Amino acid sequence: AQSVTQLGSHVSVSEGALVLLRCNYSSSVPPYLFWYVQYPNQGLQLLLKYTTGATLVKGINGFEAEFKKSETSFHLTKPSAHMSDAAEYFCAVSEAGGFKTIFGAGTRLFVKA
Amino acid sequence: GAGVSQSPRYKVTKRGQDVTLRCDPISSHATLYWYQQALGQGPEFLTYFNYEAQPDKSGLPSDRFSAERPEGSISTLTIQRTEQRDSAMYRCASSFAANTGELFFGEGSRLTVL
Repeated sequence: AQSVTQLGSHVSVSEGALVLLRCNYSSSVPPYLFWYVQYPNQGLQLLLKYTTGATLVKGINGFEAEFKKSETSFHLTKPSAHMSDAAEYFCAVSEAGGFKTIFGAGTRLFVKA
Repeated sequence: GAGVSQSPRYKVTKRGQDVTLRCDPISSHATLYWYQQALGQGPEFLTYFNYEAQPDKSGLPSDRFSAERPEGSISTLTIQRTEQRDSAMYRCASSFAANTGELFFGEGSRLTVL
């Protein structure tokens, strides 16, 4: 069975500071890993994904994440936070070639001026 | 359509009533998913369709929940004899194929059972 743990339900950073949202996963088979972002009153949208190949993946809005198999982690980072980054972020895992995507509980990012 | 469309956006109902939620996926997408999202939680898988086939409904909480996609396009999720614990955001998502992992979500239908 697969599972996702997001460390910290709320993260607060100052504008211009580093953003780090933590995600650890459990999977008995090679995983596909995802980060989704949800803005208020909107659906979830894909930020970035890892399937195979390069372990550092870049997404929209300057976000990136690194797949570390030895640590079973897929942390999301952005060098400099912007006010518009305030949203809820979900880490997710699926089996490579599988149909079911399992989501973490989410981390709400607050950005202070 | 251009995006995934869900209706109604908000539904308030009384305990014991039946509710039907509708999802219109992206037109080129073969696969459609239903998720349930409780407050403060991530989306939880309910069921999915490949065209009109429903290979997995293991996530449906009880036999009060059912879903259909009779023509492989629009889907409905029906909850019979609603209970207060059914209150949640119900999210529909579609993808080009079942194994790509990339989901396109609608805005969701928020169900409140009084």
